Amino acid sequence: EAQVTQNPRYLITVTGKKLTVTCSQNMNHEYMSWYRQDPGLGLRQIYYSMNVEVTDKGDVPEGYKVSRKEKRNFPLILESPSPNQTSLYFCATGTAGNSPLHFGNGTRLTVT
Amino acid sequence: QKEVEQNSGPLSVPEGAIASLNCTYSDRVSQSFFWYRQYSGKSPELIMSIYSNGDKEDGRFTAQLNKASQYVSLLIRDSQPSDSATYLCAVRRETNAGKSTFGDGTTLTVKP
Repeated sequence: EAQVTQNPRYLITVTGKKLTVTCSQNMNHEYMSWYRQDPGLGLRQIYYSMNVEVTDKGDVPEGYKVSRKEKRNFPLILESPSPNQTSLYFCATGTAGNSPLHFGNGTRLTVT
Repeated sequence: QKEVEQNSGPLSVPEGAIASLNCTYSDRVSQSFFWYRQYSGKSPELIMSIYSNGDKEDGRFTAQLNKASQYVSLLIRDSQPSDSATYLCAVRRETNAGKSTFGDGTTLTVKP
């Protein structure tokens, strides 16, 4: 079954404690991306990757890091989380170009 | 001006009626247009994709694209209570396919 798997689904942490949200896909997609979703602000793109070792900033990259060492994995790293990063995070994948996106189930992050 | 704007909603229609959801975009080089449905607390799922001017029908859903007017819409015929969700309009550009921009969404309620 084609899947985009995010872990964890829920995470409560404290300010400044480094964390990683993982995203893995089994669809052999070149393209992977991270979004955050906040009430009234919609889905905003954080980072994206067009292929292995190729990453680029989206609209709201500050405070986040990513890496793409393997095609199937695209982890999102928060080196020093702050309360304003409390949000619902989605990983999405697709083929390169103009294809639609396939979303993971989301990670609800709370930073206190 | 936002890159992708949707009618603000919320939108409420009776069961069996036609629901009309609208989206405008500002970047004329946008190439691909998508409608996603998102139930509360869940991830977005693709409803329709449309790439060329005109109408595209899939069951009860019809997407309409007018590139000259920079306008894309989604019609839902014979609306059902299960259609109650937030609908997200998204655009991707062929020249910068990594950037995928979403509207804020329109929340639809179908009343039995």
